[in-house]
Amino acid sequence: AQTVTQSQPEMSVQEAETVTLSCTYDTSESDYYLFWYKQPPSRQMILVIRQEAYKQQNATENRFSVNFQKAAKSFSLKISDSQLGDAAMYFCAYRSANRGGSEKLVFGKGMKLTVNP
Amino acid sequence: NAGVTQTPKFRVLKTGQSMTLLCAQDMNHEYMYWYRQDPGMGLRLIHYSVGEGTTAKGEVPDGYNVSRLKKQNFLLGLESAAPSQTSVYFCASSYRPVAGNTIYFGEGSWLTVV
Repeated sequence: AQTVTQSQPEMSVQEAETVTLSCTYDTSESDYYLFWYKQPPSRQMILVIRQEAYKQQNATENRFSVNFQKAAKSFSLKISDSQLGDAAMYFCAYRSANRGGSEKLVFGKGMKLTVNP
Repeated sequence: NAGVTQTPKFRVLKTGQSMTLLCAQDMNHEYMYWYRQDPGMGLRLIHYSVGEGTTAKGEVPDGYNVSRLKKQNFLLGLESAAPSQTSVYFCASSYRPVAGNTIYFGEGSWLTVV
């Protein structure tokens, strides 16, 4: 079974600075997807960024980018120019691409990001 | 766009009562999921469905039942609620990965069992 580990339960960053959130995963599959979801106090799950395992290029979405290291099974999220609205819980998640399975999302336990003004 | 809609948003139950959470999606997704979220545990999969008329157990299925009679709806039932089922419940849906890999979430349903 696949597992996702977020080893840092909490982090803080100063507004306008850069922060990196770490995530590692364990799988024997070669084809899969990785995601970062943001959960603000409203509890809504918001997709931040996604990465297809077959793509070598790291995904970017405006101020958000990832460092995907497939061999190391590492998937970190970098937030540049941090804003107060970035404060939230962040979840790393894995989804299998194999047909016939549940292709469900497997989540890490989350990390609370605080942004200090 | 409505996306994924969950009802009710909040509910307080007494131990032993039953209830049903309804999830509706308007994106014609094949796959639907029910997760629960507890402090320090992330989201854990309760049950899921890969198509109309199909259901399967996830990581924490005990005490819950589900049904998917229509493609757009996925119901989560608690037959005899217990305090351990106090949680935030999230419904989610997606296409099959070959057609799109993003899973979309509802806004959550807060359930308290006293």
